[in-house]
Amino acid sequence: AQTVTQSQPEMSVQEAETVTLSCTYDTSESDYYLFWYKQPPSRQMILVIRQEAYKQQNATENRFSVNFQKAAKSFSLKISDSQLGDAAMYFCASFNQGGKLIFGQGTELSVKP
Amino acid sequence: DTGVSQDPRHKITKRGQNVTFRCDPISEHNRLYWYRQTLGQGPEFLTYFQNEAQLEKSRLLSDRFSAERPKGSFSTLEIQRTEQGDSAMYLCASSYPLPQGSSYNEQFFGPGTRLTVL
Repeated sequence: AQTVTQSQPEMSVQEAETVTLSCTYDTSESDYYLFWYKQPPSRQMILVIRQEAYKQQNATENRFSVNFQKAAKSFSLKISDSQLGDAAMYFCASFNQGGKLIFGQGTELSVKP
Repeated sequence: DTGVSQDPRHKITKRGQNVTFRCDPISEHNRLYWYRQTLGQGPEFLTYFQNEAQLEKSRLLSDRFSAERPKGSFSTLEIQRTEQGDSAMYLCASSYPLPQGSSYNEQFFGPGTRLTVL
C-alpha cells in the first residue's frame, strides 16, 4: 500500500524568506506521480506543483520548487520569497495507476509579516 | 467553466438520520472522485467513477455509504444512519479523460461539504 508522511504539522516563515516543507512516501509502483496541494482556510484545494517519478529533473513553478530524491523516497517543497497569501495547509500526495490520490497529514504554514 | 460545485456546503444532522450530498463536476470531465477529510488530517479516498461506472471503493466506504453517478454527470453520496464519526469534510474532485498513453490527469477539487453529526 502507498503511504505519504509529512512529519511537520506546523511551519512558520517570515515574509520574503524561504521555507522547505518535507514529505516522504512509500510505494511499490514504478510509475507514479507526486504532488503538493495547497488548501487555504475555508477554500478549496488547488494543485501547486507536480512531479513525474520517471523525470530526474526537479519540477519548478515560479516561486515553488521541489527536491525529489527518488532513492530516498523524499519529496520536499521549497517556497521562495514567501508571501502572506502562501499561508495555508499544504498536502503532499501521490498518485498511482489505481487512480486515486494518497495524501499526507498536512503541514500548516504560517507567514509572518 | 465554473469549476467543481458541491451542495450543500454545510450540513448539520442528528445521529441516525440519512444525508445526501451532491457534486457537479467540470463539464467534459469523465472522472469523478470522492474523498473524506477529518479535522487536521489529509483527505482520504472513498471512491471514484469513470463516466457512470464506479471503478473503485475504499474500505472506508462502509455499507452505510453509497455513491452514484447515474448519467455520468453529477454524483451523489448518501450516508445512511449517520454516526458522530461521520463528521468530516466530504470533497469531490473531477478530471478530464486520460490522454492516450498517460495514466494521470489533474484532479480539480470542489469546496467540499462539511458534515456535522450531533
